[in-house]
Order: sequence, then C-alpha cells, then structure tokens
Amino acid sequence: KTQVEQSPQSLVVRQGENCVLQCNYSVTPDNHLRWFKQDTGKGLVSLTVLVDQKDKTSNGRYSATLDKDAKHSTLHITATLLDDTATYICVVADRGSALGRLHFGAGTQLIVIP
Amino acid sequence: DMKVTQMPRYLIKRMGENVLLECGQDMSHETMYWYRQDPGLGLQLIYISYDVDSNSEGDIPKGYRVSRKKREHFSLILDSAKTNQTSVYFCASSLRGTGNTLYFGEGSRLIVV
Repeated sequence: KTQVEQSPQSLVVRQGENCVLQCNYSVTPDNHLRWFKQDTGKGLVSLTVLVDQKDKTSNGRYSATLDKDAKHSTLHITATLLDDTATYICVVADRGSALGRLHFGAGTQLIVIP
Repeated sequence: DMKVTQMPRYLIKRMGENVLLECGQDMSHETMYWYRQDPGLGLQLIYISYDVDSNSEGDIPKGYRVSRKKREHFSLILDSAKTNQTSVYFCASSLRGTGNTLYFGEGSRLIVV
C-alpha cells in the first residue's frame, strides 16, 4: 500500500508562474520529510528537509511546509523557470536513526513552458 | 567532490544473463543503497549496506545480491536476469542515519530482453 501520495501527478505552468505541489502520507512514525528534484535521466537531488511538527523552510524560489498532525506537506515554487522542469519527489523517513526507513512518493512531473 | 558514480549508465541484456551494476562514492559515507525506479512508483529499496560486508535486504531483494568489499564501492548483481528486472537502478550514499541526506548517482538503465 502506497504510504506517500503526491498530487498532482503532472503539472504544466508557464514560465514566471507560481505552483504548489502536494504530499500526503500515512507513514508512522514520521521523523522528517524531504523534497527531492529529479531532472530527466538524472539522479535525485535534495531541495529541503522538514523536521518539526509544523515546519517551514525556504531555499531561494523553493519553499516548503510540513504539518505532521495532518501528515501533509507542500512545495511552493515561485516565479518558475524553464530549468524547474523536473520530477519532484516527496520522501518521508519513519526514524532519523540508521534503523529508519525512507518512503518515496511517485513524484509530480512539472513542465515549465515558455 | 561529493559524487556518486554509477557504471554502466545503459545496459541491454538477454534473459538469463548475469548483470553487474557498479557504484562508487568519494565521500567516505558508511551507508549505501540500491533502489529501482519504475514508472508510476516510488523508488523501491533493494538492498542497504551499513558498511563493508554489512548488508541488509530492502523491500524487494528477490533476484538480486550485493557486494561491498570497500567502503567506497557497492555492487548490485543480478544472477540470471529476468524481463521484469527491466528498470532504472539508482545507487545512493549517506552518512549513517536517515536524518542525513542521500546523494544519488545518475542511474543505470537496464533493459532485459
């Protein structure tokens, strides 16, 4: 059973627009949540990590929120660029220790058009 | 240089042949992983290695085995490849503990015909 659900599955936006990606999960316990960016044909690169019960992070044009009570996270991308075209993957860790397991979402495919 | 390198990047094999996928990292990370990525699914953990000769099965180990004889090198072996093992395989490494970020290679695309 999928424990990390991402929506939308795919999204097309025009360059300069903002967008929001959603991640809902049922992983328990939920130690932290990380967002990765995967360019086509490449590996995953970490964008940000959220740890606290209600957390917010900001990394340039990327900002993210986490609400552990709702088991929900969002990734906001502001003023999108063509290079933002990629798959964005939400990953939830059930523990922070070496015994922890990572649970991957299937990703949201974002396409930015001129 | 903080890099995970996978070889080969692309591979076509016939059913029943053996496959060796190799992964190296230059960060002295204790923990290394092998995942596979299939369309519409999240990455699935095949094997995790906590250090040299300290390997554990992940969620889908059947049909795979691994070898880690040096900290910087982790191999994935498919003995007698099957068509359902056609996939993109990713190697990753991290410091010990899931609280540390994973560094991923660029993937090895395997097609079994």
